[in-house]
Amino acid sequence: EPEVTQTPSHQVTQMGQEVILRCVPISNHLYFYWYRQILGQKVEFLVSFYNNEISEKSEIFDDQFSVERPDGSNFTLKIRSTKLEDSAMYFCASRTGDAEQYFGPGTRLTVT
Amino acid sequence: AQSVTQLGSHVSVSEGALVLLRCNYSSSVPPYLFWYVQYPNQGLQLLLKYTSAATLVKGINGFEAEFKKSETSFHLTKPSAHMSDAAEYFCAVTRPTGGGNKLTFGTGTQLKVEL
Repeated sequence: EPEVTQTPSHQVTQMGQEVILRCVPISNHLYFYWYRQILGQKVEFLVSFYNNEISEKSEIFDDQFSVERPDGSNFTLKIRSTKLEDSAMYFCASRTGDAEQYFGPGTRLTVT
Repeated sequence: AQSVTQLGSHVSVSEGALVLLRCNYSSSVPPYLFWYVQYPNQGLQLLLKYTSAATLVKGINGFEAEFKKSETSFHLTKPSAHMSDAAEYFCAVTRPTGGGNKLTFGTGTQLKVEL
């Protein structure tokens, strides 16, 4: 069964460093998303991406964040200058035209 | 704007007992609703979804949920709990059309199943 994959599973970085989180969505999916979950809190929407552009973003998704689909398979989230409060589990999701979103296993980002 | 309220951050049931996890939603348009399950250190797995067809929706692992528009609810039930059901459960809402169709999640309910 096709699935969304994410790498790395765990990333540790120092405050102020840039990180890139990578996702490979399901191959025939058209819509892509990033969500995050701070430890012990609910899952929060960050950004949605369709047709090579951002379709919606949350207040969390400020100028420090960017997304890219550099080729036909990868979907990346870049944080330019990480802060302690960026420590969270980051989930990638994708969907076809249906409503159901398929989630990856997540990348745990730890900023020290 | 859409929102989801999950009453009870922790629910504890005995093995074999009924599981009832509550979800109420707020939406200015007819919503699509979902239940996801998260096992420790894992991602989100879809349990079931309501997309405006039948109001009683059956999902995986014996779970079901009923969409009640008059009560703005989408409670999750399972007749008989199993130890393997212990996990965190998230209710989520989205709009059927428009924008990126982001999911808005509730705060989650941690289900504990005791012998």
